[in-house]
Amino acid sequence: QVQLQESGPGLVKPSGTLSLTCAVSGGSISSSNWWSWVRQPPGKGLEWIGEIYHSGSTNYNPSLKSRVTISVDKSKNQFSLKLSSVTAADTAVYYCARLAAAGTEEDYWGQGTLVTVFS
Amino acid sequence: SFELTQPPSVSVSPGQTARITCSGDALPKKYAYWYQQKSGQAPVLVIYDDSKRPSGIPERFSGSSSGTMATLTISGARVEDEADYYCYSTDSSGNHGVFGGGTKLTVL
Repeated sequence: QVQLQESGPGLVKPSGTLSLTCAVSGGSISSSNWWSWVRQPPGKGLEWIGEIYHSGSTNYNPSLKSRVTISVDKSKNQFSLKLSSVTAADTAVYYCARLAAAGTEEDYWGQGTLVTVFS
Repeated sequence: SFELTQPPSVSVSPGQTARITCSGDALPKKYAYWYQQKSGQAPVLVIYDDSKRPSGIPERFSGSSSGTMATLTISGARVEDEADYYCYSTDSSGNHGVFGGGTKLTVL
């Protein structure tokens, strides 16, 4: 059973960079899957941030693309999110996930971590 | 940009059928996925590939898709089905994921 666990600072200052890591256990990050980041502002809906393949290929939400970098560390079986120039609008619960793909019901999410942009 | 549109809320009485819709231009070519999210919890997949039910999901949950609209149906809704429901899909290129705005289901 694949398990995902987010880690990183819970507070980030405005104009700073949000950095989170997702540790993958129970499976290899080098498997044929995309690994995603999703966020949810308090009281609002889910927003897809982007995804990465073990090869390093990435896809980003066009609305965030200029500020987002997702990377993978195969040696540590983890992947990471960096979001630059943050504002209060970036305050959210951030989830790492392996979303279900065509033909498979396998779908895994971390528990989520709240990141607050606060000066 | 690609968007998925859901009604903000749906309300039914226990035992009734709840239907939640999701519309998007790429849905004729891309699968829809449905997630259930209860307060303070991570989302749970309840339907994948438009109409398939993951193991462990009750049979009262079903999905369908026709043209630009996907539908999640909960037959004989129960109080415990109260939650926010989100559809998910990708744009026509398959390179960008998107969630619908979410639908709050009330069963009372």
